[in-house]
Amino acid sequence: EAGVVQSPRYKIIEKKQPVAFWCNPISGHNTLYWYRQNLGQGPELLIRYENEEAVDDSQLPKDRFSAERLKGVDSTLKIQPAELGDSAVYLCASSLGGSNEQFFGPGTRLTVL
Amino acid sequence: AQSVSQHNHHVILSEAASLELGCNYSYGGTVNLFWYVQYPGQHLQLLLKYFSGDPLVKGIKGFEAEFIKSKFSFNLRKPSVQWSDTAEYFCAFLKGTGRRALTFGSGTRLQVQP
Repeated sequence: EAGVVQSPRYKIIEKKQPVAFWCNPISGHNTLYWYRQNLGQGPELLIRYENEEAVDDSQLPKDRFSAERLKGVDSTLKIQPAELGDSAVYLCASSLGGSNEQFFGPGTRLTVL
Repeated sequence: AQSVSQHNHHVILSEAASLELGCNYSYGGTVNLFWYVQYPGQHLQLLLKYFSGDPLVKGIKGFEAEFIKSKFSFNLRKPSVQWSDTAEYFCAFLKGTGRRALTFGSGTRLQVQP
């Protein structure tokens, strides 16, 4: 069974540029999460989807961050414009509805110069 | 606010030494508890989990953890570490009801010397 797939694995951009990250969850997993992991810290939730509905986006900085999961499968997280403080690893995770176990992808390491 | 404290930020052990990593959470309700591991260059993987029942849970690779409700703790243990256990270890909890997102600690970097 394939795991959670994320791309790109690494991204280097200059500040004020836009950037997008893509995630494909494990097949059949209807819950999808985006986390951000700053250096030396644990992951923190940005947004959680149940199918195509964003059910928890309270920690998403909505002035510059947006996310979508149009068909309830893969998802895109966008930052526009990026700031220096956005440098972090962006993790995608998925779980089966009703399950408490989340499976993580390899992450996208973003560096904003 | 709910949080997880991992008191050891960096631990260095020799092979065959015993390991105990501390984890305390702050939440008064029902919780599900997890330990995740991240080996160098790899993604986060579940090491073990506690949902209910026996407070002593066993995970992969000889790891175990004990849930002590009165101490809000979920410490990770291994009797004899190997060089391949070198990794970063994250404790996390999930509230039993309500917000369904993991709250993570800041992690403990374990370095095992051969």
